[in-house]
Amino acid sequence: EVQLVESGGGLVQPGGSLRLSCVASGFTFSSYSMNWVRQAPGKGLEWVSYISSSSSTIYYADSVKGRFTISRDNAKNSMYLQMNSPRDEDTAVYYCARGRVRGDYWGQGTLVTVSS
Amino acid sequence: QSALTQPASVSGAPGQSITISCTGTSSDVGGYNYVSWYQQHPGKAPKLMIYDVSNRPSGVPDRFSGSKSGNTASLTISGLQAEDEADYYCSSYTSSSTLVFGTGTKVTVL
Repeated sequence: EVQLVESGGGLVQPGGSLRLSCVASGFTFSSYSMNWVRQAPGKGLEWVSYISSSSSTIYYADSVKGRFTISRDNAKNSMYLQMNSPRDEDTAVYYCARGRVRGDYWGQGTLVTVSS
Repeated sequence: QSALTQPASVSGAPGQSITISCTGTSSDVGGYNYVSWYQQHPGKAPKLMIYDVSNRPSGVPDRFSGSKSGNTASLTISGLQAEDEADYYCSSYTSSSTLVFGTGTKVTVL
């Protein structure tokens, strides 16, 4: 059974830092591209970042470019999102999703609250 | 990249059919057959319902179907059921090699 489990969310001050993790199981993680997608409270889905299976290709949404860094460790079946200098508008549930042009499996999400 | 445009809400009686539109541009919806649709119940993660415009993942009822014409994709739910009440989002691959989501549609079963 494919499973994606996010962790690392919580309360962070504006200008601080936070690292989110996504641990995968039930499939060959090293063969799949992955994405981070977020959803602000009461709002719609917003794509955040993409990483290819080998980490050779990475993309970011303009809203997080220069502040967030996506990475993965295939040996640990894990993907990460390093959030630096978060802003109030980064408050959201962050989901990891498997796939290049679609999210065929999603985690349950981890809530990040940016507030002083 | 601007969000794809969806109606805010659509409603229908049980057994009826409804259609949700998703309008983009030639740089996303119109340029690629990589449109997906997701169902999201309150407090839950999104679930893939349609991929590559019109394909259903295993386990998704055939009441759900997708299509595309030009820059607009559509999701049709036939034989509407109470459990179909949820938020629905479209997404598309873009010419910037990124993904873009729709604004979301709340489906209400009357």
